Amino acid sequence: DAKTTQPTSMDCAEGRAANLPCNHSTISGNEYVYWYRQIHSQGPQYIIHGLKNNETNEMASLIITEDRKSSTLILPHATLRDTAVYYCIVGGTNAGKSTFGDGTTLTVKP
Amino acid sequence: EAEVAQSPRYKITEKSQAVAFWCDPISGHATLYWYRQILGQGPELLVQFQDESVVDDSQLPKDRFSAERLKGVDSTLKIQPAELGDSAMYLCASTLTTGRVNEQFFGPGTRLTVL
Repeated sequence: DAKTTQPTSMDCAEGRAANLPCNHSTISGNEYVYWYRQIHSQGPQYIIHGLKNNETNEMASLIITEDRKSSTLILPHATLRDTAVYYCIVGGTNAGKSTFGDGTTLTVKP
Repeated sequence: EAEVAQSPRYKITEKSQAVAFWCDPISGHATLYWYRQILGQGPELLVQFQDESVVDDSQLPKDRFSAERLKGVDSTLKIQPAELGDSAMYLCASTLTTGRVNEQFFGPGTRLTVL
């Protein structure tokens, strides 16, 4: 499975959009991009996934570049409760085999 | 809303002792995963079950770790003997099935401290 590269940490002002980048330059054609987040001392929570097209749900939007080598998770109006570690993982339909990496620590500030 | 249950939430033990963790996945979820998460790092897959069968245990340290899911529902992860380096969060997750895209639902985890 492809590995991902994410910034170690990011800050965002409350109410503003949080844009979290992820590089996955070795992604193969049948691999999906998954995003999870982990709030302190809790288990990870699924956010969104995509293959080629941009995706949106009630939590976030996922923008995947045309060459699929990178993606961006967008939290449109960040709140203090969005402070968490965000993981971008790449893999097939068996997401469990994918490597989580160390993620991006997003801190939303008042 | 259905949740993955794990117990205990916290466990302190001395090295060389045996410990066991329990996980009850969401009802109807055929696939169950155990992860280990060292502080400051992402989760690392230890073992994956499809119903009662092990699908992947390539990262499970089999000399001291064992996992079972006898009836294809709840699961137990055991460490014997525990070592200092086993101190971590142990997470359980489940999905409806593999072979299709499905999000994993994670439990709250068991935090193990080995003294």
